[in-house]
Amino acid sequence: AQSVAQPEDQVNVAEGNPLTVKCTYSVSGNPYLFWYVQYPNRGLQFLLKYITGDNLVKGSYGFEAEFNKSQTSFHLKKPSALVSDSALYFCAVSFLTGNQFYFGTGTSLTVIP
Amino acid sequence: DTEVTQTPKHLVMGMTNKKSLKCEQHMGHRAMYWYKQKAKKPPELMFVYSYEKLSINESVPSRFSPECPNSSLLNLHLHALQPEDSALYLCASSLSAGSLNQPQHFGDGTRLSIL
Repeated sequence: AQSVAQPEDQVNVAEGNPLTVKCTYSVSGNPYLFWYVQYPNRGLQFLLKYITGDNLVKGSYGFEAEFNKSQTSFHLKKPSALVSDSALYFCAVSFLTGNQFYFGTGTSLTVIP
Repeated sequence: DTEVTQTPKHLVMGMTNKKSLKCEQHMGHRAMYWYKQKAKKPPELMFVYSYEKLSINESVPSRFSPECPNSSLLNLHLHALQPEDSALYLCASSLSAGSLNQPQHFGDGTRLSIL
């Protein structure tokens, strides 16, 4: 079965410290991987995607993610967290022969001033 | 500002009412989606329209009725809803339903409360 997992419901990090939000996936075939962010009372905003090529993907607002095929992971990272990064983050996966996106359960990130 | 516009932003309705949610995009996307989202949970896919035709219905109760009048508009007609239908309803669009390597663009949603 196709699935994506976000093992942490909540991540807390101090402002200025690096942050990591974890995502692992299970799909047959090559995955397309996405990260979205959701601020309170807003829809999901696209941050970045991995389709093929370079394993390190750079996205909006200084975020980046590393695709690791052997560990089937696609962790979201940022070198220096801002208080304004506090939000709900969703990893999503699709694949060539599928017909929809599969969302992870979400990780609530809190950046502490 | 999002490129997918949803109206209304908030809606309170009784269980016997009929109302509609509207979604509009002008990005030339040919796939449009309705999702239901409960607080702090991932969006749950309800319907997918591809080139104005319904291509996926994820076993949604018939009290939810989607409509795609043209390539830019998507409606969700509501009738005889239940309290458990209270949620954030998100509309999204993408280049095409088959282009799963392209991101979906989401509106800010309609927060629906059923009394």
